[in-house]
Amino acid sequence: ETGVTQTPRHLVMGMTNKKSLKCEQHLGHNAMYWYKQSAKKPLELMFVYNFKEQTENNSVPSRFSPECPNSSHLFLHLHTLQPEDSALYLCASSQGTIYNEQFFGPGTRLTVL
Amino acid sequence: DAKTTQPNSMESNEEEPVHLPCNHSTISGTDYIHWYRQLPSQGPEYVIHGLTSNVNNRMASLAIAEDRKSSTLILHRATLRDAAVYYCILRDPNFGNEKLTFGTGTRLTIIP
Repeated sequence: ETGVTQTPRHLVMGMTNKKSLKCEQHLGHNAMYWYKQSAKKPLELMFVYNFKEQTENNSVPSRFSPECPNSSHLFLHLHTLQPEDSALYLCASSQGTIYNEQFFGPGTRLTVL
Repeated sequence: DAKTTQPNSMESNEEEPVHLPCNHSTISGTDYIHWYRQLPSQGPEYVIHGLTSNVNNRMASLAIAEDRKSSTLILHRATLRDAAVYYCILRDPNFGNEKLTFGTGTRLTIIP
């Protein structure tokens, strides 16, 4: 247990569906992150939030929409995804963003049909 | 970001030391060297980091070359639980670098 939980752990959705991924951290951190890990590719940073403000969007398509209502919760809203979006989506948190250790959740395995 | 190079895979026997190398010939003077690992079906976890001096913690040791162009993560006594992908990452705090830029890492297999 890292103190970062993600739900659901597995998700199968059609291309026309709308779904949301949820991340919660119980560590009192102020920064939260979404990463994508596709098969046979390195982890890619998607979004960074610091004190609920988005500080980085790594050229992510608009069909991925993040939301950070408070420092403990992070959502990734998904709509009209493509099969190539199938991947492991990982959430992480840290105390501050500058080189501090990041704590990762177990990820949500997403399959888009 | 400065780039790191790691072997794709390594094997080691259980209960023996493991030395995982990382080359970073273009490292800048302010880059910290971080190591994370990802166990099967889990998110990455922090292992250790350092700047110039060798570092030890409960998980591992980090040996940094004098010219800082390479480093070695040392697991003193490998267990089956240490089978994972190990990532060597450079981070420069002076540039507000929020990113962890992961490469392909080294897949470590532990032989019982």
